[in-house]
Amino acid sequence: GQQVMQIPQYQHVQEGEDFTTYCNSSTTLSNIQWYKQRPGGHPVFLIQLVKSGEVKKQKRLTFQFGEAKKNSSLHITATQTTDVGTYFCAEETSGSRLTFGEGTQLTVNP
Amino acid sequence: DAGVIQSPRHEVTEMGQEVTLRCKPISGHNSLFWYRQTMMRGLELLIYFNNNVPIDDSGMPEDRFSAKMPNASFSTLKIQPSEPRDSAVYFCASSLRGAVYGYTFGSGTRLTVV
Repeated sequence: GQQVMQIPQYQHVQEGEDFTTYCNSSTTLSNIQWYKQRPGGHPVFLIQLVKSGEVKKQKRLTFQFGEAKKNSSLHITATQTTDVGTYFCAEETSGSRLTFGEGTQLTVNP
Repeated sequence: DAGVIQSPRHEVTEMGQEVTLRCKPISGHNSLFWYRQTMMRGLELLIYFNNNVPIDDSGMPEDRFSAKMPNASFSTLKIQPSEPRDSAVYFCASSLRGAVYGYTFGSGTRLTVV
């Protein structure tokens, strides 16, 4: 079935550096959601993108949906230690079920 | 709202024993999902319900797993008999079907089968 591929699997940055994770699909996505999971925690919904070329911002986080709706990215500007965690993209298929990517695990060195 | 409530938070059991995980979704949400998370396989959808009816259980690993949703405010995931390879974190999530607010996950049950 459909599955979104996420890269990189791991990312280590110094505090203050930027971070980007990418999500790619071989098929056109109806929409895409992003989640953050802190170490030992549970996934927390960040945002949903629906429209082709859509860009949404949440403070230092910028989310983009590709023009062809086959890829998406999450960019964090000037990372902080509170950004540590695993970031997942997820595609919604029929029946409102979500299929999650493998996630990008972000560590931030203070 | 207290969010999605799962119990227990941690469960340690011996191989062969029956394990029951419980979930109370957010009031008003009409979709409920059971996910399993492991290092090797990531987040896997096991089964989901719409309006208390099981829609897709193709993710359930085998007949040892079963899930029920007797009413809109309660669901269980049962493993009988449990095996060490079932060790994982099991998450329950709920949502309003098609909502832009995504899924709300519970805190999970960390299951260890020894």
